[in-house]
Amino acid sequence: AQSVSQHNHHVILSEAASLELGCNYSYGGTVNLFWYVQYPGQHLQLLLKYFSGDPLVKGIKGFEAEFIKSKFSFNLRKPSVQWSDTAEYFCAVSQQGSGNTGKLIFGQGTTLQVKP
Amino acid sequence: GAVVSQHPSRVICKSGTSVKIECRSLDFQATTMFWYRQFPKQSLMLMATSNEGSKATYEQGVEKDKFLINHASLTLSTLTVTSAHPEDSSFYICSAGGGFLSTDTQYFGPGTRLTVL
Repeated sequence: AQSVSQHNHHVILSEAASLELGCNYSYGGTVNLFWYVQYPGQHLQLLLKYFSGDPLVKGIKGFEAEFIKSKFSFNLRKPSVQWSDTAEYFCAVSQQGSGNTGKLIFGQGTTLQVKP
Repeated sequence: GAVVSQHPSRVICKSGTSVKIECRSLDFQATTMFWYRQFPKQSLMLMATSNEGSKATYEQGVEKDKFLINHASLTLSTLTVTSAHPEDSSFYICSAGGGFLSTDTQYFGPGTRLTVL
């Protein structure tokens, strides 16, 4: 069965620090990969997604993620975080191909707290 | 574009009553809508997938008779929690995709906080 694992449950950083959130998935086929963000009191928003092509994906608000197929990883990065990046971050996976129903499997989430 | 709304945003009900939650895609037609449940400080768990005009597909362990899903139009899906109990208290989130949008990308509603007393 598909599964998604996010290694960091709670990350605390100071402003301007660099960020990397880990995400590994378990699935033998071809997948679509996503990072979603949930700001306090708000709904999930798509940060970025990878379907195919360049494994380095750039998203909104200066975020990027790199798909490393051999490691089944899709880590999220930002060179310099801001206080406004304080939020919950979710990695998610869906199946490509004929079995694709659009169903998303989410990781446990990582709470990022940025101190001003 | 791609805005999804949910109503109500918050509901409190007595044990044994039924509660209906609406999910609407405001500016696109969604052939597929998904219903998730999120417990505090936890991830989203998919409950069911609904396709317009057909029966919903429920995930393992989700009671289809308790969580009734209707997707009667391309812009509206409803989740009815029947005979609600305190353990049904949770945050329910819908998402929508498909139509002119690929089903591969889902847009999420703001969620509905259900509290069963």
